[in-house]
Amino acid sequence: DTAVSQTPKYLVTQMGNDKSIKCEQNLGHDTMYWYKQDSKKFLKIMFSYNNKELIINETVPNRFSPKSPDKAHLNLHINSLELGDSAVYFCASSLGQISTGELFFGEGSRLTVL
Amino acid sequence: GENVEQHPSTLSVQEGDSAVIKCTYSDSASNYFPWYKQELGKGPQLIIDIRSNVGEKKDQRIAVTLNKTAKHFSLHITETQPEDSAVYFCAASRGGTDSWGKLQFGAGTQVVVTP
Repeated sequence: DTAVSQTPKYLVTQMGNDKSIKCEQNLGHDTMYWYKQDSKKFLKIMFSYNNKELIINETVPNRFSPKSPDKAHLNLHINSLELGDSAVYFCASSLGQISTGELFFGEGSRLTVL
Repeated sequence: GENVEQHPSTLSVQEGDSAVIKCTYSDSASNYFPWYKQELGKGPQLIIDIRSNVGEKKDQRIAVTLNKTAKHFSLHITETQPEDSAVYFCAASRGGTDSWGKLQFGAGTQVVVTP
């Protein structure tokens, strides 16, 4: 059973389109995250939700809109895609704060904007 | 905010040798320092972590040391094996409600273990 699963794994789309990535965790965690990994492998947090409430929004353009319908799901919708949005997006979850425990990552969704 | 620097960016070692990756952090309030391993096509996975009240922690072939005064911490892998080949990330977090969920990652070290 996959702990943190995200779909799709690969996404190729044209500039200007709107796309969504879905994430689900079956670990019973109360905190979920979206991280962006660029072509140089640098990992940067985008959003963090605790019990469906937005906790962190790290200066991400408002074309990116996360939605957490419940504690087990955190989806990412991106409007008007740009070339610079090409990256691997990782969903992750943890029980409580980062400093109290492990961050569990999904396998990533590779987004390519043409 | 926190800034984490990681060196080297790439590391090639012979199987059986040791590998050392070093990180420095800027925020003296950081108190939690995990290390993540990312294999090709996978998400990062926690391999070991250390908290600021401990100077060293060991788990089989991997160990982490922390020097709070100098604000640096290191990962040591002994008796390296080909399956240790991956990208390794150090990270730092201060915890507390003012930094909920903020884990600042280093830039990563690509480790290649050659048989």
